[in-house]
Amino acid sequence: AQSVAQPEDQVNVAEGNPLTVKCTYSVSGNPYLFWYVQYPNRGLQFLLKYITGDNLVKGSYGFEAEFNKSQTSFHLKKPSALVSDSALYFCAVRDGYSSASKIIFGSGTRLSIRP
Amino acid sequence: NAGVTQTPKFQVLKTGQSMTLQCAQDMNHEYMSWYRQDPGMGLRLIHYSVGAGITDQGEVPNGYNVSRSTTEDFPLRLLSAAPSQTSVYFCASSSDRTSGNTIYFGEGSWLTVV
Repeated sequence: AQSVAQPEDQVNVAEGNPLTVKCTYSVSGNPYLFWYVQYPNRGLQFLLKYITGDNLVKGSYGFEAEFNKSQTSFHLKKPSALVSDSALYFCAVRDGYSSASKIIFGSGTRLSIRP
Repeated sequence: NAGVTQTPKFQVLKTGQSMTLQCAQDMNHEYMSWYRQDPGMGLRLIHYSVGAGITDQGEVPNGYNVSRSTTEDFPLRLLSAAPSQTSVYFCASSSDRTSGNTIYFGEGSWLTVV
């Protein structure tokens, strides 16, 4: 069975510092991995995805994520945090082995950027 | 481009009542799903569908029914509402063929069961 874990409920970073939001996964086949962001009382916005190819994926708003197969991780990173990055971030995984597989989300990490 | 449309946006139900949350997408996506979001629990998958006529259970299916008679529509039915079903519900769709597996979400439906 596939699963995804976001081990940190909250991450606090000072503005201008680098940020990392962690995600680990478990699938039987090749993982399709996603990061989404949610602002208060809003839906979810797509940030980036890894399906195949280059392990370093660049996405919206200056975010990037690195697929690490040996560590089964897909951590979200940004070199210099902005206060406006404060939001709830979700990692998701789909088992790419089967087109009938489901998409599972993590429990979310709240990112707080202090000025 | 409408994308994924959910209705209603807000609903208050009494315990025991039934209702249907509607979801429609106009992108010809084969994959559709319903999630509920609760504080500290993230997004939990209720039911999903990989094509018309095909549905399957997710992580928390009890108390909910779905059907997929067309590619466009994926309604979620609450058979007998309970206070534990108070939550925010999100419908989502994606496609291996046309969206590169990017998941598109509706704006959410806020449901309160009293």
